[in-house]
Formats: sequence, structure tokens, C-alpha cells
Amino acid sequence: DAGVIQSPRHEVTEMGQEVTLRCKPISGHNSLFWYRQTMMRGLELLIYFNNNVPIDDSGMPEDRFSAKMPNASFSTLKIQPSEPRDSAVYFCASSATLAGFYEQYFGPGTRLTVT
Amino acid sequence: EDQVTQSPEALRLQEGESSSLNCSYTVSGLRGLFWYRQDPGKGPEFLFTLYSAGEEKEKERLKATLTKKESFLHITAPKPEDSATYLCAAPHSSASKIIFGSGTRLSIRP
Repeated sequence: DAGVIQSPRHEVTEMGQEVTLRCKPISGHNSLFWYRQTMMRGLELLIYFNNNVPIDDSGMPEDRFSAKMPNASFSTLKIQPSEPRDSAVYFCASSATLAGFYEQYFGPGTRLTVT
Repeated sequence: EDQVTQSPEALRLQEGESSSLNCSYTVSGLRGLFWYRQDPGKGPEFLFTLYSAGEEKEKERLKATLTKKESFLHITAPKPEDSATYLCAAPHSSASKIIFGSGTRLSIRP
């Protein structure tokens, strides 16, 4: 299995631009998570999907952030407009609920830099 | 408030020098305690799940233990390849999500 796939791996953009991060979960996993990691705040859960439905988006920082999961094999996290404080590493993770909700498999991350 | 706290923040050991990492938690009705390893530039990698006090899990040079208030990750005779950040996490008591600790950055000198 290829594991969780994220793209792009690195993104540099200017303040005010739209940014779209992409994730392909492990085949057969039906839970998908978006996290943000910074030195100051550590690893924070942004939003969680189960069977393609958003379950908990309480971690999404503000309306500039949105996430979608149109099917079981693809999810996007969009930031519009982007701000310098959004600079972080964004991880996508997936889990197979029946095997253990909390045994999450993380992708390699997207390092976002907003100038 | 649910919290997961790890100590020390950083630990430098000589190869072969055994030690322990600590994870303390204040989560009502604990439903599991998880350990992850994170290498630089990569996502966290799942290591262990512990569900009840007294439980132990082992993997190579690592052994995780759980009490009612904390978990320890014991590393025996570590090698340089064990250098990484080790994260512990616990499910939030009232929400279907995980709370991660800030991690312990472990460095093993050859």
C-alpha cells in the first residue's frame, strides 16, 4: 500500500492567495483527519471526516479555512485568503474505524509558507 | 480541561544509555493512550495503544507502560536510529478526536 498521499509537499504563496492542499487516504480507510503542526502549538486537529461526512470541524481556525471530501479517496483543505500566520506543516491522516479509530496513519505533510 | 503533557522536552543520550520518557494526562474516562514517533520532515508514525492501567506493549527497544495518571516510554540500549520526536496522545473525553502532547525530542549520540 502506498500509504497516505499528500500534495504538494511544499507550497510557497503570497498573502491573500488561495491555497489548496490535497490528500488521498489509504484505500479502505473510512476516517480522514486534517492536522496542522507548528512549533508554538504542536499538532492540532482541524477537521475530521467519517465516511466522507464532516464530523467535527471545531478545530478549523476561521472561515478562511474549508475542507471537502467528495469521495472516499480524495480530500482537500482550502485556505482563502491565506495569511502569514497560516504558515505550518499540514498533515492528512486516515484510519480504518473498525480496526481502531485512533490508530491513525499520517501522510508526509505539506509545508506551507505564506509570505 | 483535557490535557496531555510530555517531559522532558528534549533528551540527549549516549548510545546504549537506557532512559524513559513521560506522558501525563488529565482526561476523564480515558479510552486509550497512544504513542507515535515522528522523524524530521515526516508525519507521525503509530507505535502503540494502551487501554488500561498495568498494560505494557513492546517493540524492539521500546516498551510503553500505563498507570492511572501517566504513561512511560522506556527505551533500552538505544541506537542512533532511535533519534526522533516521540508524541503521546489521548482521546478527548467528550469529542471524537485526539489530543497530542508537545513531544519529547530524543537524540542518541553514537
